[in-house]
Amino acid sequence: KAGVTQTPRYLIKTRGQQVTLSCSPISGHRSVSWYQQTPGQGLQFLFEYFSETQRNKGNFPGRFSGRQFSNSRSEMNVSTLELGDSALYLCASAGTGGNTEAFFGQGTRLTVV
Amino acid sequence: SQKIEQNSEALNIQEGKTATLTCNYTNYSPAYLQWYRQDPGRGPVFLLLIRENEKEKRKERLKVTFDTTLKQSLFHITASQPADSATYLCALPYMDSSYKLIFGSGTRLLVRP
Repeated sequence: KAGVTQTPRYLIKTRGQQVTLSCSPISGHRSVSWYQQTPGQGLQFLFEYFSETQRNKGNFPGRFSGRQFSNSRSEMNVSTLELGDSALYLCASAGTGGNTEAFFGQGTRLTVV
Repeated sequence: SQKIEQNSEALNIQEGKTATLTCNYTNYSPAYLQWYRQDPGRGPVFLLLIRENEKEKRKERLKVTFDTTLKQSLFHITASQPADSATYLCALPYMDSSYKLIFGSGTRLLVRP
């Protein structure tokens, strides 16, 4: 079956703008998580959605938000972009059962200039 | 707070040798631990999951151990190949949810032909 798909792959935005990233999970997966990866901080958990509800949240400012649709597709939004938001944003989907692996997409490389 | 430590220095080994990577964690007793592989510019790929009641898990040339007393996991790649060169990440679930993963910073493995 098809893997996790993230669009776009690359984005360049200007400070102060906002951006929306999209993620289509593996068919049948209802849990979608978002991570930010930077060279300095590594992979950090942003939030997780399950059945259109935010179920878990990391320690990021309110400028970072997300949502999930009824077909499990998810979007994340970053408003008022800062230079420090430049990162690889990764989406992961998971099946049910709790202690299961996360399937990651290729990521969206966001550069803020 | 929960913390994971992986050796930040790259591990450089000769083809055919066994690579051993270490993951240490503190302030936590996770129900399981996962290992992922990440290639540059790509999302992590799940390799193995080991539960707290399992001492060892194997998959082809990969072997993972989990010592809950030492709070340590070892990841071994036997008969290493240049294609095994990548960054290897260990991950634990947050205390409050199985769907929130905390990742180590990763260890870069370089296998020389």
